[in-house]
Amino acid sequence: EPEVTQTPSHQVTQMGQEVILRCVPISNHLYFYWYRQILGQKVEFLVSFYNNEISEKSEIFDDQFSVERPDGSNFTLKIRSTKLEDSAMYFCASSPTGSPLHFGNGTRLTVT
Amino acid sequence: QQQVKQSPQSLIVQKGGISIINCAYENTAFDYFPWYQQFPGKGPALLIAIRPDVSEKKEGRFTISFNKSAKQFSLHIMDSQPGDSATYFCAASIGWAGTASKLTFGTGTRLQVTL
Repeated sequence: EPEVTQTPSHQVTQMGQEVILRCVPISNHLYFYWYRQILGQKVEFLVSFYNNEISEKSEIFDDQFSVERPDGSNFTLKIRSTKLEDSAMYFCASSPTGSPLHFGNGTRLTVT
Repeated sequence: QQQVKQSPQSLIVQKGGISIINCAYENTAFDYFPWYQQFPGKGPALLIAIRPDVSEKKEGRFTISFNKSAKQFSLHIMDSQPGDSATYFCAASIGWAGTASKLTFGTGTRLQVTL
C-alpha cells in the first residue's frame, strides 16, 4: 500500500537555526498538509496546500514557516529561525480529494 | 467554537470488553467526523469516519454513533483486543472530498486492553 514518507525521522537543531522537513506524498494525491503534535498533546493543523498554493493556514503558521512543492514529488516545510517551542512531531499528510488524509510517520524536531 | 472535546483521557478495558470513547463539538458547520488510531512512533491512521446524514456506521468491530442534535459522537470498539491498545483521536472538519479541509482533532484517548 502506498505510504507518505517523511525524512528525517528525527532532527535536532539549535535555536535560531533553519530546518527543512521533507515529505514525499502518495503519488496521485493532490492535497497536502502539515500537522504537528507536541509531545502528549493533540494533533494540530498547520497548513494545507493545493494547486501549488496554500489553501489555509493556522495561527501557528506564522512568517517563520513556509511550504514548498519544489518538484512533482516532494513537499517541504521550512522553519526559518527555530524556537524552543517548535519542538514537536511534525506530520505530513496527503489526500487524493481532500479527504481522507493519509499521514506519514512524522519527523521529531528537537530544538535545543 | 472550533474545539472538539474528547473523553476519557485514558481507558483500560479487559480483553473482550467494549471500549467507548466520546467526543463533543460546538461548530454546527462540521460535516465530517473521522476517528484516527495512532500507535507509538507512527502517524495517525484513519479508522472509520461518518457524515451527519447517518446516525451510525459500523466497520467490523468499530462503530461510530452520531447524535447531531446533541453535537456528540462516539467510537465503540467491540470485543476489544490487546492489539487495539493505541491512542485514539476523534476529529471534525468542514467539507471533505473536493476541499482542502483542515481537521480539528480531539485531545486523544489512550486505550489499554489488558489480558
